Amino acid sequence: NAGVMQNPRHLVRRRGQEARLRCSPMKGHSHVYWYRQLPEEGLKFMVYLQKENIIDESGMPKERFSAEFPKEGPSILRIQQVVRGDSAAYFCASSPVVVEAFFGQGTRLTVV
Amino acid sequence: AQSVAQPEDQVNVAEGNPLTVKCTYSVSGNPYLFWYVQYPNRGLQFLLKYITGDNLVKGSYGFEAEFNKSQTSFHLKKPSALVSDSALYFCAVRDINAGNMLTFGGGTRLMVKP
Repeated sequence: NAGVMQNPRHLVRRRGQEARLRCSPMKGHSHVYWYRQLPEEGLKFMVYLQKENIIDESGMPKERFSAEFPKEGPSILRIQQVVRGDSAAYFCASSPVVVEAFFGQGTRLTVV
Repeated sequence: AQSVAQPEDQVNVAEGNPLTVKCTYSVSGNPYLFWYVQYPNRGLQFLLKYITGDNLVKGSYGFEAEFNKSQTSFHLKKPSALVSDSALYFCAVRDINAGNMLTFGGGTRLMVKP
């Protein structure tokens, strides 16, 4: 059973471009969480999804950011018109209900 | 709303000494509690969890944590620290009665000096 897979591991985008971050949860996991981490800082919750549903997006910026977890395929975190302040590590975690979540290795987004 | 507090940004310990990384939480119902470790440029690795049962739970790499309901704490401990334990540690809580959200503390950097 492969772990949580995130790709790409590193992503460089110019200001104004779109960034798409993918997360394939562990087999059998129907819950996905996205977190953002700035250098030397903690994890900031962004969004919590179950298959085809957004459960809690209270941590998502109101503009430019969106997330989905379709019935088939990976979860996608999409950032439109990226700005330098979007540069961070973005982590995805998956879990079955009520037990621990397992994290991917993260995608490090750099906006130049 | 649930929350987790890690009051220390950094903990310094000499190798071979015991270590404690503190965590307190706030939830409306019964908590599920977790500790994770993050090494540089890596994702978070699960260390241990408390769901129910014994208040002292044992996890990976010799770590353990004690659940204290009256003090709403879940401190991480290890009897003898190793230099290789130096990393960023995160405490997390899940309240299954509140939408199953997983909330993290701000993290504590553990520095173990030889």
